[in-house]
Amino acid sequence: GAVVSQHPSWVICKSGTSVKIECRSLDFQATTMFWYRQFPKQSLMLMATSNEGSKATYEQGVEKDKFLINHASLTLSTLTVTSAHPEDSSFYICSARDLGPNQFFGPGTRLTVL
Amino acid sequence: DQQVKQNSPSLSVQEGRISILNCDYTNSMFDYFLWYKKYPAEGPTFLISISSIKDKNEDGRFTVFLNKSAKHLSLHIVPSQPGDSAVYFCAASASYQGAQKLVFGQGTRLTINP
Repeated sequence: GAVVSQHPSWVICKSGTSVKIECRSLDFQATTMFWYRQFPKQSLMLMATSNEGSKATYEQGVEKDKFLINHASLTLSTLTVTSAHPEDSSFYICSARDLGPNQFFGPGTRLTVL
Repeated sequence: DQQVKQNSPSLSVQEGRISILNCDYTNSMFDYFLWYKKYPAEGPTFLISISSIKDKNEDGRFTVFLNKSAKHLSLHIVPSQPGDSAVYFCAASASYQGAQKLVFGQGTRLTINP
C-alpha cells in the first residue's frame, strides 16, 4: 500500500516553455500533498503544501506564479513550472499524506531545461 | 538555520556489522521523527518512524532511538547488508503545524562493504 506515482519521470524542455508534472496517490486518498525539489548532493527542500480543493501554501522564497500547483482531487496534484529556465533544472519529488503522519514519496521527476 | 542536522555526510560499514546513523535537531516542538532511504534518481522510501512519546521503535533490522533531552536520534541497522547502501535522510515534524511539514536533514550516504 501507500504507493505514489509521478509522471513524467524525466523531461527535457527548451527555455521559456512550461512543464507539468503529475503526482498521484494510487491506493489511498491524500488529504495533503507536498512538492519538494532536490539539487545534487543536497537535501530535499519543501516548495509547497497543497490540500485538495484549496490553494497551495508556498514556502518562503518559492515563486507561486512560477510554480503553479493544483490539487484537483484527493488522488492527484500537479506542479506546473511556467516559463522554465536552466536554473529550474532539478529533481522534483512529490509526497502524499493520508490521515496519518507519514509521507509517502513519488519516484521523482528529473527536469532539464536547455 | 538548519533545524535537522546529519553531521556525517558518509559512512562505510562492513557487511554483517551494525550501521549507526545519527541525527540532531534543534526545534523542541518536533514531536515526530522519520527515517527515509533514498537511491539516486528515486524518491525517498519510508523506513521507520518514532513519536516523541517513545524512546525506541524497532522494525526488523531497523531500530530508531530517540533521546529527547539531547535532541538526538539514531538509526541502527543490524546486520548491515549490501542492499542497504543508499542515502539516508532523517526528518522531523511538529504536530502543531497542522499540515505536518517534514524538515529533512542533509542525508548520510551509507556504503556497505562486502
